[in-house]
Amino acid sequence: DIQMTQSPSSLSASVGDRVTITCRASQSISTYLNWFQQKPGKAPKLLMYAASSLQSGVPSRFSGSGSGTDFTLTISTLQPEDFGTYYCQQTYGLPRTFGRGTKVEIK
Amino acid sequence: QVQLVESGGGLVEPGGSLRLSCAASGFTFNDYYMSWVRQAPGKGLEWLSYISKNSGYTTYADSVKGRFTISRDNAKNSLYLQMDSLRAEDTAVYYCARDHDYADYWGQGTLVTVSS
Repeated sequence: DIQMTQSPSSLSASVGDRVTITCRASQSISTYLNWFQQKPGKAPKLLMYAASSLQSGVPSRFSGSGSGTDFTLTISTLQPEDFGTYYCQQTYGLPRTFGRGTKVEIK
Repeated sequence: QVQLVESGGGLVEPGGSLRLSCAASGFTFNDYYMSWVRQAPGKGLEWLSYISKNSGYTTYADSVKGRFTISRDNAKNSLYLQMDSLRAEDTAVYYCARDHDYADYWGQGTLVTVSS
């Protein structure tokens, strides 16, 4: 199985900060990498697909980059509504593994 | 608009069975693969299974292979997950999701609790 390692596991940042979350795959996955945001008690929401494509309706302060094994999700200017847990997922191989998540808290 | 609504969750004893359903609307159901993903209480997301548009291809995570069966009825715009030989570690919220190479729409989830 392809292992997905996210870092950090949690972070606390202030409104307006630039936030970066990283995701590393245990083998090359090209750009078959998606990012999800999940708020407590809610279903995950797709933010980015194919590593760098912004899902329709997602604010442009979110961006993604990377290919191969190393990927990043960046929130350019953190907003109060961006709290939650962020997950990466690879869809290059089966099973379609998720990272363990990064919990984002607003200071 | 796209809607996915899961149902069928509940409390079941270890070794028991449960069938989850996912009713889809707002899109052409038979144009999409569909997936099941679960989340144990306080834990992360675990992809379980997906099924091709015409049911010709299915695949499973090792944790549920041989115990869970994914199926769909395109005439009813519905996705199913038959869960047999349930274990305590299957306790989770189960989500269905519309799938391409990414799950762009998710249901609200249905809670399955396996306990005696």
